[in-house]
Amino acid sequence: NAGVTQTPKFQVLKTGQSMTLQCAQDMNHNSMYWYRQDPGMGLRLIYYSASEGTTDKGEVPNGYNVSRLNKREFSLRLESAAPSQTSVYFCASSEDVPVGEQFFGPGTRLTVL
Amino acid sequence: GQSLEQPSEVTAVEGAIVQINCTYQTSGFYGLSWYQQHDGGAPTFLSYNALDGLEETGRFSSFLSRSDSYGYLLLQELQMKDSASYFCAVRGSGGSYIPTFGRGTSLIVHP
Repeated sequence: NAGVTQTPKFQVLKTGQSMTLQCAQDMNHNSMYWYRQDPGMGLRLIYYSASEGTTDKGEVPNGYNVSRLNKREFSLRLESAAPSQTSVYFCASSEDVPVGEQFFGPGTRLTVL
Repeated sequence: GQSLEQPSEVTAVEGAIVQINCTYQTSGFYGLSWYQQHDGGAPTFLSYNALDGLEETGRFSSFLSRSDSYGYLLLQELQMKDSASYFCAVRGSGGSYIPTFGRGTSLIVHP
């Protein structure tokens, strides 16, 4: 089992460019999440999907969109990147939505110039 | 909303015991989790407390007091590899699924 995988690992964008971060899990989990992590800020939830076919906003959704493509895959899209979106992005999954245990992917390090 | 407070940094020596505290404010409570994150790595799950008391997993233990809105992570027989950031997290209130993480405690273990 690969667990949670994310692509790409690193990305540099120019302001205004768009991109999609991909995430997949092979644990048959119902719930998936996208977080961003900035220095000294901990993990902040951008969007989550409690189950296939549903998505909801988290704490910091502005400037992002998500798609729960199927039970395995949950993508995060930046339509018009801004320097404030420079961050490390983590995808996570869990059997259900409670905090009990989330499994995290390796992260995507994004720089917006 | 909810908020969590934990110390920003804790230092200790190899072989010692260290306690990382976490206090939280949330109108509904479903459990307190702890995660470890090494520099450049992904967070990994350590423990989860839904009820009051102590949960032990090897060298790590986690405690919860719901009446005090307080928990802690206890690390025993510290090793250099335990140098990492530790995050506490709670689930959102009122049926919300939004998990909230603390800002993390950087643990530095000295030889």
